[in-house]
Amino acid sequence: SQQGEEDPQALSIQEGENATMNCSYKTSINNLQWYRQNSGRGLVHLILIRSNEREKHSGRLRVTLDTSKKSSSLLITASRAADTASYFCATDADMRFGAGTRLTVKP
Amino acid sequence: DTEVTQTPKHLVMGMTNKKSLKCEQHMGHRAMYWYKQKAKKPPELMFVYSYEKLSINESVPSRFSPECPNSSLLNLHLHALQPEDSALYLCASSQDPKYYGYTFGSGTRLTVV
Repeated sequence: SQQGEEDPQALSIQEGENATMNCSYKTSINNLQWYRQNSGRGLVHLILIRSNEREKHSGRLRVTLDTSKKSSSLLITASRAADTASYFCATDADMRFGAGTRLTVKP
Repeated sequence: DTEVTQTPKHLVMGMTNKKSLKCEQHMGHRAMYWYKQKAKKPPELMFVYSYEKLSINESVPSRFSPECPNSSLLNLHLHALQPEDSALYLCASSQDPKYYGYTFGSGTRLTVV
């Protein structure tokens, strides 16, 4: 069964705005990871949050994890046109990806 | 070296051809993965190798044949593919998926004609 499921499937914002995307999963995990993919390229690992962590920051990225709801969110602050990409979550349980969120940041 | 290198970057093959995709990493990672990704879709897991042994095979057709000759190399042998197998094939590795993220290669864009 598929683990990471992201929503929304598409998000369009203006440069400078914040973007929030969510991920849900089904089983127990040790960690949850977020990845970015630019069109037709490989996935880039953004951030990993462990099951005993509730929040983690990396630059303009903020990730939260709620293990009771089996959900995570990725917040990108002060977005830039270069943040335009697809974003995926996956867990260590099975490393499957959901449909992803396609983020478009308009200059 | 913190990269996963995939070769070739592009491949066009006929349905009767035999070809191989290659994936290499020198980070000492002991888990390696093959994914297939169609346009505007998420990557789909095909094979998982852990300590050079196949641990997960997602019922992928036998025309795809993985091989892990050593801890740094992962090959995907292709034979008698169909046009619907045209996709981006991604390789990834991890030191230990319980604690660390995955490093992806940039992929091989495969076209079957």
